[in-house]
Amino acid sequence: EVQLRESGGGVVQPGKSLRLSCAASGFTFDDCAMHWVRQVPGQGLEYVSGISWNGANIDYADSVKGRFTIFRDNAKTSVFLQMSSLRPEDTAMYYCVKDRAASGPGDFDSWGQGTLVTVSP
Amino acid sequence: QSVLTQPPSVSGAPGQRVTISCTGSSSNIGAGYDVHWYQQFPGRAPKLLIFDNSKRPSGVPDRFSGSRSGTSASLAITRLQAEDEADYYCHSYDNTLSISVFGGGTKLTVL
Repeated sequence: EVQLRESGGGVVQPGKSLRLSCAASGFTFDDCAMHWVRQVPGQGLEYVSGISWNGANIDYADSVKGRFTIFRDNAKTSVFLQMSSLRPEDTAMYYCVKDRAASGPGDFDSWGQGTLVTVSP
Repeated sequence: QSVLTQPPSVSGAPGQRVTISCTGSSSNIGAGYDVHWYQQFPGRAPKLLIFDNSKRPSGVPDRFSGSRSGTSASLAITRLQAEDEADYYCHSYDNTLSISVFGGGTKLTVL
């Protein structure tokens, strides 16, 4: 069974940093691209960032480019999202998502339960 | 403003058929990128419903079907049931933005 367990969310002040982690199990981790998708409570889904199986291909939404960094550790079957210069508009539930394809862009066939990030003074 | 456009809401009575549209452009659906659909219940993570335009993951009832044509895609739900009441999102790739993109979501109400 595929499991994606996010952690690292919490309340943080504007301008500060936070690192989200996603521990994956139940599938061959280095066969799959991984992504982060966020959702403001009550609103729609927003793509944040993605990384290919070997880290060679990375993409970011314009809204986070230059502030967020995605990386992965295949030995630890984990993917991370380093968030800096956080803004109130970054407040959202952040989902770790598994891609069906190794390099993307494929469908997102498994989702974690999410970790909530709140950016507030 | 989402890159992919969905109606904010649709509704139907039990047993009826409803469709949810997803309209894109020449840089995403029209460029040939596959469309995927997700179902999300309140307080829960999204779940893959349709992938590669029309394929159903194991366990998804055949009441759910998808199609793609030109710059648009559609999700159809037949024999509507109360348990289908949820939010539905379409997803594709955009080669101008060079990232995955989602529709704004459609809330399905079963009357």
